[in-house]
Parts: sequence; C-alpha cells; structure tokens
Amino acid sequence: QKEVEQNSGPLSVPEGAIASLNCTYSDRGSQSFFWYRQYSGKSPELIMSIYSNGDKEDGRFTAQLNKASQYVSLLIRDSQPSDSATYLCAVATSGGSYIPTFGRGTSLIVHP
Amino acid sequence: DAGVTQSPTHLIKTRGQQVTLRCSPKSGHDTVSWYQQALGQGPQFIFQYYEEEERQRGNFPDRFSGHQFPNYSSELNVNALLLGDSALYLCASSAKLRNGGDTQYFGPGTRLTVL
Repeated sequence: QKEVEQNSGPLSVPEGAIASLNCTYSDRGSQSFFWYRQYSGKSPELIMSIYSNGDKEDGRFTAQLNKASQYVSLLIRDSQPSDSATYLCAVATSGGSYIPTFGRGTSLIVHP
Repeated sequence: DAGVTQSPTHLIKTRGQQVTLRCSPKSGHDTVSWYQQALGQGPQFIFQYYEEEERQRGNFPDRFSGHQFPNYSSELNVNALLLGDSALYLCASSAKLRNGGDTQYFGPGTRLTVL
C-alpha cells in the first residue's frame, strides 16, 4: 500500500513569511513528485514537479526532495493571502501506467 | 490551448440512480484518469483510460465504469448511487514525459451530491 502523508494543518503564517509544507512517502520506488494547489471548491492546480534530489525553484516556490529520507517539501517565500489554499503532495513511480498517489493535503492560511 | 473540460459542473441525484460524467482532455493528451475526492481528503484514483481501454483501476467497485472515445474524451458512469458517492469527481489528462512519467492536469471537476 503506497502511502503519502501530510499534516492536515491548518498551517498559519503571516503575510510575507516563508511557508513550509512537508510530505513523506512510503514507496522507495517513487520517482516523480508533484505539488498541487487546491482552492476551496476548485480542482487541483499543478504548481511544481521535481524528479531529482535537491532543490527546484520556480518564482516564489521551491520544492525540495530527499529520496533517502523519503521526504519532499514545498517552500513558499513572501507568502500572500492569495496563497491560502490546500496543498496536495502527489507521488508516482514513473513508467508504464503512471498513477500518482495523493496525500490528503495541508491547509495553508496566510493572514495579513 | 483548451485545458481539460468536464461536464456537468454540479449534479444532484438520489440513491439508486445512475449518473454519467464527461471529460475532454487537454489538447495533445491521450490518457485520461478519473479521481474521486471526498471532503477533506486527497483525490482517490478510480481508473485510467488509454487507447480506449481501461489501463489500470483503483480500489472502486464495479458500479464505477468508464469509457474512452476515439477522440480521447471519456465518460465515468456510476450505477446504483449511494450516499457515500457524494464527492468531487475529477478528470485528469496527461502527457508523457521524457523520463517515462506523466504530468496530470485536472479539469474543474463535477460536484456530485447524492440524496
């Protein structure tokens, strides 16, 4: 049973701060890692993907992957109230019929 | 470039009824996956269609069935609806990456309420 674990939160941070979202996974064969943002009542929106150990930066977002520790994180710099949403971590084994396993998501609240 | 589209947006049914949800994938995508997302949970995989065939299936009963058409669009059918089928149903289409994996892009979803 492949599992992806996330703290459900809510994680509350002040505007302008760095928000740190964490995710652990159980399948050591996992090779593809994704972060989705989901606003209330809306569908998930892909914001970051990472495949290799280390950091990957895209604007205010940085994804960090540590395969040895089976850990992936998302940092949001200069957090804005518009970043308030649920962040879903998804993990997949590449190749064949790719099916990502999703965590239950972490609720982020950025307060002014 | 049109993204993933789904219809209808919202649907209300009663227990025992049947429902059909529709999805058109993003342009250039040939693989469609369906997910069920209950309130407060992450999306749960139902099944995936590729080349008009069900390629993989999650842990859902046979009441859940699907179809993919030659134009890659897809339908999800749920028979004998139960109250517990109330959820957001998400369609995701995917494009193969160089490393063999896919990146899934979600449609807006269909909110199904079973009374």
